[in-house]
Amino acid sequence: GQNIDQPTEMTATEGAIVQINCTYQTSGFNGLFWYQQHAGEAPTFLSYNVLDGLEEKGRFSSFLSRSKGYSYLLLKELQMKDSASYLCAVRPTSGNTPLVFGKGTRLSVIA
Amino acid sequence: DADVTQTPRNRITKTGKRIMLECSQTKGHDRMYWYRQDPGLGLRLIYYSFDVKDINKGEISDGYSVSRQAQAKFSLSLESAIPNQTALYFCATSDYGQGEHTIYFGEGSWLTVV
Repeated sequence: GQNIDQPTEMTATEGAIVQINCTYQTSGFNGLFWYQQHAGEAPTFLSYNVLDGLEEKGRFSSFLSRSKGYSYLLLKELQMKDSASYLCAVRPTSGNTPLVFGKGTRLSVIA
Repeated sequence: DADVTQTPRNRITKTGKRIMLECSQTKGHDRMYWYRQDPGLGLRLIYYSFDVKDINKGEISDGYSVSRQAQAKFSLSLESAIPNQTALYFCATSDYGQGEHTIYFGEGSWLTVV
């Protein structure tokens, strides 16, 4: 089966750093994605990891440990507009398998 | 203009009615998907299609059907809508599913069944 876990909600202060964790147990692994979704809007792609390590894109970084079935999304210099849900998704096996999504983490950024 | 367009964007329908949600894309992708999103349950896959003649059931296909009329069009039907099908529905597309080839979502269709 496929299981992806992430915290339901998090709150952080504007200007701070927040780490959103994701653990997964899937039948195979062929990449992990992070998406951002503002309320009532479509998810948009943030990052992709397939090898262990850290991928950095501006204020956002994503880390992967395949042996631990673990990833995190790191958001630096938080801004109010970062208030959104963050979805972790795994491609379980080959390219013929659709992504499996976690339930998402709703992040609230407060002043 | 959006690359993945869903119609209608909002619909209220009555229990037992048939409703169709349509999706068209200009990205030239072969693969298309329908997801539903419910509070606390995340995105769940209903059906997906890797080509015009290819239809696959997802996690929650009961009560739904799909049609892939052309490479660019993928429609979702609720033959007899029921209230627990009230949700936000997303169409999505992708090209070859390797590497950083991710999926792109339409703007969503809010469906309320009363």
